[in-house]
Amino acid sequence: AQKITQTQPGMFVQEKEAVTLDCTYDTSDPSYGLFWYKQPSSGEMIFLIYQGSYDQQNATEGRYSLNFQKARKSANLVISASQLGDSAMYFCAMREALAYNTDKLIFGTGTRLQVFP
Amino acid sequence: GAGVSQTPSNKVTEKGKYVELRCDPISGHTALYWYRQSLGQGPEFLIYFQGTGAADDSGLPNDRFFAVRPEGSVSTLKIQRTERGDSAVYLCASSHVGSNIQYFGAGTRLSVL
Repeated sequence: AQKITQTQPGMFVQEKEAVTLDCTYDTSDPSYGLFWYKQPSSGEMIFLIYQGSYDQQNATEGRYSLNFQKARKSANLVISASQLGDSAMYFCAMREALAYNTDKLIFGTGTRLQVFP
Repeated sequence: GAGVSQTPSNKVTEKGKYVELRCDPISGHTALYWYRQSLGQGPEFLIYFQGTGAADDSGLPNDRFFAVRPEGSVSTLKIQRTERGDSAVYLCASSHVGSNIQYFGAGTRLSVL
């Protein structure tokens, strides 16, 4: 079963506008972590933001915020004031409970964001 | 401090050959991960090391794939009898003990002709 779903293969946004990238997840574990990574054309995965399942507040990191809706199992990434350099692939990922003795991340298929002037 | 370093950045080989891909993690990071990313897909987990030992190798697709980390720092992913389907970008990541965050290298693009 697909555990991370990103339904938007591509998104366009005008510079300086805000954009939301969707992510839904599926897990039966009460303890999990959600991540967003950015992958520019250079290929490196750049960590953006993390949300723990027990965190009370939505995570924020500069222009990035995570809209965490636990009951709906969604963890959307919001980028405010988009910049041309934000053009890249964006991946949502999940790490399940520590009880599994693994820290592996499960990734979605990604959303390609293009920012235009 | 340097980030995660992966060499080579590109590797072209012929079907049936043996290849080694190297990962040099961030200094002091005890956890190391290998992922494989096929075109148009997200990365898929291969193996996870905690120190020198493989704590989880459930993602290795078959026994042609093997990875080592003999001194708890540099890791080598080894692929025997390569097949065209092994063509992908192989990503390495590392993390500090107690941290949730995995930091990735730029990957090795493997092309099997």
